[in-house]
Amino acid sequence: AQSVTQPDIHITVSEGASLELRCNYSYGATPYLFWYVQSPGQGLQLLLKYFSGDTLVQGIKGFEAEFKRSQSSFNLRKPSVHWSDAAEYFCAGARYNQGGKLIFGQGTELSVKP
Amino acid sequence: DTEVTQTPKHLVMGMTNKKSLKCEQHMGHRAMYWYKQKAKKPPELMFVYSYEKLSINESVPSRFSPECPNSSLLNLHLHALQPEDSALYLCASSPPGGLGEAFFGQGTRLTVV
Repeated sequence: AQSVTQPDIHITVSEGASLELRCNYSYGATPYLFWYVQSPGQGLQLLLKYFSGDTLVQGIKGFEAEFKRSQSSFNLRKPSVHWSDAAEYFCAGARYNQGGKLIFGQGTELSVKP
Repeated sequence: DTEVTQTPKHLVMGMTNKKSLKCEQHMGHRAMYWYKQKAKKPPELMFVYSYEKLSINESVPSRFSPECPNSSLLNLHLHALQPEDSALYLCASSPPGGLGEAFFGQGTRLTVV
């Protein structure tokens, strides 16, 4: 069965520090992979996506993610966190040609210390 | 226009009421989705429409009835809901053939009393 796992439920970082959020996937073939961000009570905003090709993908708001097939991972990174980055982050996967039929990880809540 | 618009933003309904949630997109997407999200949980897929036809129903109770009147609109009709159905209901759309990412609306916060 397909699955997406985010091992960290809650992470706290200081403003200006670097960030890495972990995501592991289990799919029969290389899936589409996404990172979404959600502020309280809001919808989901797409940060970045991986379909194929270059394994380092750049997204909005200074985020990037690296696809590592050997580790079944798609970790999200940001070199310097801003207080406005505090939110819930979801990693999600989808099968080829099913880009909207998403399986989400459990989410990682990011808190930012001043 | 890369927006998915959902109305209303908030809805409180009694267990005997009938109400509808609406979703609209003008991106030319031919796949539309309803997701349900409980507090502190990830979204879970409920329904998928592809080219205005229901293609996936994830074993959702019949008190939730989806409808896709045309390629831009998606409705979710609600009847005889239970308090445990209180959640954030998210609509999303994606390009034809699933060859692209999903764009989400801001959601409808539903409270069943």
